[in-house]
Amino acid sequence: QKEVEQNSGPLSVPEGAIASLNCTYSDRGSQSFFWYRQYSGKSPELIMFIYSNGDKEDGRFTAQLNKASQYVSLLIRDSQPSDSATYLCAVGGLSGSARQLTFGSGTQLTVLP
Amino acid sequence: EAGVAQSPRYKIIEKRQSVAFWCNPISGHATLYWYQQILGQGPKLLIQFQNNGVVDDSQLPKDRFSAERLKGVDSTLKIQPAKLEDSAVYLCASSFSGSGELFFGEGSRLTVL
Repeated sequence: QKEVEQNSGPLSVPEGAIASLNCTYSDRGSQSFFWYRQYSGKSPELIMFIYSNGDKEDGRFTAQLNKASQYVSLLIRDSQPSDSATYLCAVGGLSGSARQLTFGSGTQLTVLP
Repeated sequence: EAGVAQSPRYKIIEKRQSVAFWCNPISGHATLYWYQQILGQGPKLLIQFQNNGVVDDSQLPKDRFSAERLKGVDSTLKIQPAKLEDSAVYLCASSFSGSGELFFGEGSRLTVL
């Protein structure tokens, strides 16, 4: 049984701060990693994906992957109230493949004005 | 570009009744997924189609759930008979090439009384 663990939160950060969201996974064969954002009552939307160890930056978002530690994180710089949402970590098999994609339960982030 | 369309948005039924959900993916997306998201949890894959063939239905409760994707475009997910624990949001998603970069519809919220 593949597991993806996230702290459920809620995580609260002040506006302008860095929000750090963490995810661990159990399957060492995992090769693709995704972060989805889900606003309350809405469906998930993809914000980042990463396939290789290291950092990947996209605007205010940075995804970090450490396969040896089975750990993936998402940093949100200059957090805004509009970033308040649940962030879902998803871990998959073959690079880029949605087969065997397993979602965590999500971390609820609140950015305080 | 039109997104993933789903209907109905909301459905309330009594246990043991049946219900059907419809999904039309983004044009050109060969891969279609049905996910179940219970409140407070991450999405769980029920079934994945590639064109009109089933790629993965290992987590679909086949005694009560069925899904089809005729002509490789739109899809229907049926539950018969429904149980209380089927209360959830049923999310349809599509992707261009079966990657983990999923585009979700707005979801169909099912309440079983």
